[in-house]
Amino acid sequence: QVQLEESGPGLVKPSQTLSLTCTVSGGSFSSGSDYWSWIRQPAGKGLQWIGRMYMSGSTTYNPSLKSRVTISLDTSKNHFSLQLTSVTAADTAVYYCARDVNKDYFDSWGQGTLVTVSS
Amino acid sequence: SYVLTQPPSVSVAPGQTARVTCGGNNIGSKSVHWYQQKPGQAPVLVVYDDSARPSGIPQRFSGSNSGNTATLTISGVEVGDEADYYCQVWDSSGGDYTYVFGSGTKVTVL
Repeated sequence: QVQLEESGPGLVKPSQTLSLTCTVSGGSFSSGSDYWSWIRQPAGKGLQWIGRMYMSGSTTYNPSLKSRVTISLDTSKNHFSLQLTSVTAADTAVYYCARDVNKDYFDSWGQGTLVTVSS
Repeated sequence: SYVLTQPPSVSVAPGQTARVTCGGNNIGSKSVHWYQQKPGQAPVLVVYDDSARPSGIPQRFSGSNSGNTATLTISGVEVGDEADYYCQVWDSSGGDYTYVFGSGTKVTVL
C-alpha cells in the first residue's frame, strides 16, 4: 500500500517561492507507470489541481498556474517536489500530493500540509 | 476550460438515499470519479470510472453518468457519511490536459 507524505515550510513570505516535497513509500515509485500530482485546497474551498509529473520527466501543469509552477522528481530519494514562485496570500492553502495510476483519478493521497503566505 | 457544477449542499435523514449531482457539458462522454472528504482529512476515492468502487468502499456508494449529469448515490445513509463530496474528470479539450474538480457538495445527515 503506497503512502505519501508532504513536508516543507508552513509559512512563506509574499513574493517568495513555496517549496514542498512529497515522500513516497510502500510502493513502486520508480515503476514508470504512475503520475504524481500536487493539489491544493484553500480553507473552506474546493480542490484545485496544480500539476503532475510522469516518471519519464514529462510534466503537465494547470494553465492557470503554469507560469509559476515547477514539479520535479528525485527517484533516488523516492520523492517529488513542488515549487511555486511569486506567492501571494491567494496561495495560502492545504497542499496535497497524490498518485494517479494512469487511470485519470487519484487513488492515494498524502495527509496534506498547510502553507500560509504572510509577512 | 471544462466546468463541473455541483449543488452546495444536500441534506438527508439516516437510512434514506442521498443523490449528489455533477453537471458538465456532455459529461456522459467522460469518466467521472468521486471523492469523499471529511473535515481535516484528505479526500478518499469512493467511486471511479462512473460506477466502480475501490476496495473497501461500502456497496451503498454507487454512481451513474449520462448526458450532461453524473450522479453519486449513497443508499441507506449513515451518520458517518456526512462529508464533502467532489466529482472529478480528466479533460483534454481545448488543447489543455487537466484534472478538473467540481466545487463540492456538503452532505448533511439530519
